[in-house]
Amino acid sequence: DGGITQSPKYLFRKEGQNVTLSCEQNLNHDAMYWYRQDPGQGLRLIYYSQIVNDFQKGDIAEGYSVSREKKESFPLTVTSAQKNPTAFYLCASSLGTGGSYEQYFGPGTRLTVT
Amino acid sequence: GDSVTQMEGPVTLSEEAFLTINCTYTATGYPSLFWYVQYPGEGLQLLLKATKADDKGSNKGFEATYRKETTSFHLEKGSVQVSDSAVYFCALASGNTPLVFGKGTRLSVIA
Repeated sequence: DGGITQSPKYLFRKEGQNVTLSCEQNLNHDAMYWYRQDPGQGLRLIYYSQIVNDFQKGDIAEGYSVSREKKESFPLTVTSAQKNPTAFYLCASSLGTGGSYEQYFGPGTRLTVT
Repeated sequence: GDSVTQMEGPVTLSEEAFLTINCTYTATGYPSLFWYVQYPGEGLQLLLKATKADDKGSNKGFEATYRKETTSFHLEKGSVQVSDSAVYFCALASGNTPLVFGKGTRLSVIA
């Protein structure tokens, strides 16, 4: 069954700690994305990757880092520099970028930092 | 840059009522337009899309028509059900760039 897996569903961390969110896809998609969702704000793009070993900053990249060492995996690290990290994080993938390609989303990880 | 504006929610309707969620966009070039739906506690799913002017996307009784003259892509459904309760996102993509999303509209349908 093809799809996108995000784990864990809920994550709790203390302020000042880095935390890594997992995203794996078995759809053979080249492009992967990380979004942050806050109430009333919609989805905001953090980082995206169009191909292995390459990634670009989105609209709100500060305080986050990513890697793309394998086609299937695109982990997101929320660093201690991110001032307000508590949010719902969504990973997505698509065959390519742009209007021709549907994005498929994972179920999300809800991160709470106290 | 490109942007999407959709009507503020929440929208509350009775079952079998008619639904319209407005969406307008600003973009350079000729974007593709999308509606995504997010059910409680889940990620987003593509509901429908249109890739050029005057195209109509449709799925599960929902429809939206790409109107270039009014830069709009309003979502409609003739008779909503309780199971349609969700958050609906309008989005666009142009060129080789990732999707740009609106802020979402929460729909609650009551029996």
